[in-house]
Amino acid sequence: EVQLVESGGALVQPGGSLRLSCVASGFTFSDYFMDWVRQAPGKGLEWVGRVRKKANSYTTEYAASVKGRFTISRDDSKNSLYLQMNSLRIEDTAVYYCARVRSTDGSDWLDPWGQGTLVTVSS
Amino acid sequence: AIQMTQSPSSLSASVGDRVTITCRASQGIKNDLGWYQQKPGKAPQLLIYAASTLHGGVPSRFSGSGSGTDFTLTISSLQPEDFATYYCLHDNNYPLAFGGGTKVEIK
Repeated sequence: EVQLVESGGALVQPGGSLRLSCVASGFTFSDYFMDWVRQAPGKGLEWVGRVRKKANSYTTEYAASVKGRFTISRDDSKNSLYLQMNSLRIEDTAVYYCARVRSTDGSDWLDPWGQGTLVTVSS
Repeated sequence: AIQMTQSPSSLSASVGDRVTITCRASQGIKNDLGWYQQKPGKAPQLLIYAASTLHGGVPSRFSGSGSGTDFTLTISSLQPEDFATYYCLHDNNYPLAFGGGTKVEIK
């Protein structure tokens, strides 16, 4: 069964840091790009960023709202995806999902998604 | 950045109704669009990718159409398990962007 499991969510003060993890199973993790998506309480979905695979030099893309503060990385030997979040703001409060990126003929889609982990930024 | 405008933001419908949700991109995105369903407290799930390709295991009452700037998700006969929030997502370029969501409620 293809599965993604996030962890690391916590209560953190504004200006603080946190690292989220996402462990993959049931597929060859190293073959896929991976994304992070977040959802603030009661709000819609927001794409956070992407990390490509080794063949693409593990390059990354970010939403403007997190660029320069968040870093996405991966460890293929551990089937793991990470989101390092620094300089956290109250508006970063959200459930954070990881998702596998699939592609065909230039179109990408996200499937599956993990169950999410809650990050709360508050003093 | 490309923006996705989804409408309506909510709708009330009855079981058996035909439901249509639209997404408009601020510029042309070819067919680089997916539709996702999210139920309360759960992660989103893929319904349709490349604007009109039904993801495996998704009931055939769901369909997608459109290209360029205007896209539609149609549920041909609404079922009780379809009451949820639906999102479009463009993947044409970076940053990717979701529509604001459409909450489908029971009339």
